[in-house]
Amino acid sequence: DAGVIQSPRHEVTEMGQEVTLRCKPISGHDYLFWYRQTMMRGLELLIYFNNNVPIDDSGMPEDRFSAKMPNASFSTLKIQPSEPRDSAVYFCASSYDRGGEKLFFGSGTQLSVL
Amino acid sequence: AQSVTQPDIHITVSEGASLELRCNYSYGATPYLFWYVQSPGQGLQLLLKYFSGDTLVQGIKGFEAEFKRSQSSFNLRKPSVHWSDAAEYFCAVEYGGSQGNLIFGKGTKLSVKP
Repeated sequence: DAGVIQSPRHEVTEMGQEVTLRCKPISGHDYLFWYRQTMMRGLELLIYFNNNVPIDDSGMPEDRFSAKMPNASFSTLKIQPSEPRDSAVYFCASSYDRGGEKLFFGSGTQLSVL
Repeated sequence: AQSVTQPDIHITVSEGASLELRCNYSYGATPYLFWYVQSPGQGLQLLLKYFSGDTLVQGIKGFEAEFKRSQSSFNLRKPSVHWSDAAEYFCAVEYGGSQGNLIFGKGTKLSVKP
């Protein structure tokens, strides 16, 4: 398996633009997590899905952020409109069961909002 | 509230020297504990985990960690560091009933001198 695949690897956009980050989890994994990593706050869980259903979105910072998982092999994290403070590395991770031991991370999307 | 503290932001050690990275957690019961490593431009990779039983756990790449309940600590150690160990290390806690929701420390960046 190719692992968790995220795209794009890097995204540079201007303030106010819509940004869409994509994730393909490992086949067969029932859980999908979106994390954000910044210097100030470290790694924060934004939202996670189980069997394509959002379970906990309490980490989503604002209404500007939304995430979807239309099927078991694809998820998106959208920011609209984007702001400079959204600049961060966004990681997607998937697992076949609950538990951190089974969590596999993608390589992340480096987002820069100018 | 649950929290994870990694008091050292950046540590530099000489190649071949021993290493200890500190991690303290705040939680009323014994959580599940993890150490992850992040190489530049990569996602996180699990090094080792503690659920129960023997408080000294072995991981990949020659790392080990010791759970000390009395100190609420889970420090990561390696007897002899290699240049390839230069990376960022994250301690994480999964608390009961969280369905795999991890709380991460802010990380410790390890530099290795030749």
